[in-house]
Amino acid sequence: GAVVSQHPSWVICKSGTSVKIECRSLDFQATTMFWYRQFPKQSLMLMATSNEGSKATYEQGVEKDKFLINHASLTLSTLTVTSAHPEDSSFYICSARDERGWETQYFGPGTRLLVL
Amino acid sequence: DAKTTQPPSMDCAEGRAANLPCNHSTISGNEYVYWYRQIHSQGPQYIIHGLKNNETNEMASLIITEDRKSSTLILPHATLRDTAVYYCIVRVTGNQFYFGTGTSLTVIP
Repeated sequence: GAVVSQHPSWVICKSGTSVKIECRSLDFQATTMFWYRQFPKQSLMLMATSNEGSKATYEQGVEKDKFLINHASLTLSTLTVTSAHPEDSSFYICSARDERGWETQYFGPGTRLLVL
Repeated sequence: DAKTTQPPSMDCAEGRAANLPCNHSTISGNEYVYWYRQIHSQGPQYIIHGLKNNETNEMASLIITEDRKSSTLILPHATLRDTAVYYCIVRVTGNQFYFGTGTSLTVIP
């Protein structure tokens, strides 16, 4: 099946610094990728839709200047959490839409961010 | 917004079939039913999807009622590794997924 990777798998940073998370589709091309955030014991919350070669579309309530998304190629999307604060600590998960066949979304393993 | 309703938790004995229900009474004619599961601290894993016909793959079976207002995911022989949160999602092909609260399935030895 289709494989999506994320890097890093976990990161600890100081408050005020920026953190970049990479999402790669390894065996298929994805013009569309998605970023989710998940807090403990809660469901996944869609943050934004990442479109290759164009601006991301953010869900209501998600600060686009804080969560910068770049989708520069058909296999890579990045999420940068700028000026991270402790409340940004969460599990960040990306998915990539496989446009062959049924356009199923495949998810990465997630990145756990802890901001001190 | 999630358009599905699932029981918050279920138990199943190891080796028995696990039947996970999902209500999607407001589903539109062009919306598919998708099932994913999430094992603790991992990304969701695709299981199966369907439109109106029952579907089966190596992981599970999906039974969709004739009026499409509900569906059931069947894991035919549950193992301990099937313990996870199972999400039922409806969406139009190509659109975003909005996750509901899912069902936490515990497989008991």
